[in-house]
Amino acid sequence: EVQLVESGGGLVQPGGSLRLSCAASGFTFSIYGMTWVRQAPGKGLEWVSVISDRGSIIYYADSVKGRFTVSRDNSKNTLYLEMNSLRAEDTAVYYCAKYALVGAARWFDLWGQGTLVTVSS
Amino acid sequence: EIVMTQSPATLSVSPGERATLSCRASQSISSNLAWYQQKPGQAPRLLIYGASTRATGIPARFSGSGSGTEFTLTISSLQSEDFAVYYCQQSSIWPLTFGGGTNVEI
Repeated sequence: EVQLVESGGGLVQPGGSLRLSCAASGFTFSIYGMTWVRQAPGKGLEWVSVISDRGSIIYYADSVKGRFTVSRDNSKNTLYLEMNSLRAEDTAVYYCAKYALVGAARWFDLWGQGTLVTVSS
Repeated sequence: EIVMTQSPATLSVSPGERATLSCRASQSISSNLAWYQQKPGQAPRLLIYGASTRATGIPARFSGSGSGTEFTLTISSLQSEDFAVYYCQQSSIWPLTFGGGTNVEI
């Protein structure tokens, strides 16, 4: 079955750290770029970060730049998001997604079920 | 940053009716636009990419149009399973940005 499964979410204090994982199966993980998108409770979608198939191209949203680090291990078919210096406003469901790329167009055609990160004291 | 503005915020329609959702970009994004559907408690699902191409398995009642700064998602005859929140997303310029969403309700 083609799927993405996130894990690693939970409750963390402000200033703390957390590492999210996204396990891919059912497709050739190593040839696709991947992304993280988050959704605060009751709010819309916010793009967080993207990493290319080999990990050589990485972008972050300004809201997380310098605090979050995206990486991948193609031998384990797994995507990661290392989150440091967490703030209350980072509280959200974090989704990983696979993206398709044609020219400048990028769209997210497979999503995980999400993992909830709560930043609170 | 390109700002994506969706309207209306809420659209009240009846099953069988036509729904028209709008998405406007703050600057031209060519056809680098996707639409997603999200139901409560679920992950988003890709509906349309390249402004007008339906994703695999998406029913023909969903159609997308537009280019440049003005885009439309049309649901020709609403089914009960179509009541959800719809988001547009541009990929022309980093950072990638989403619209605020349109809630399609009964």
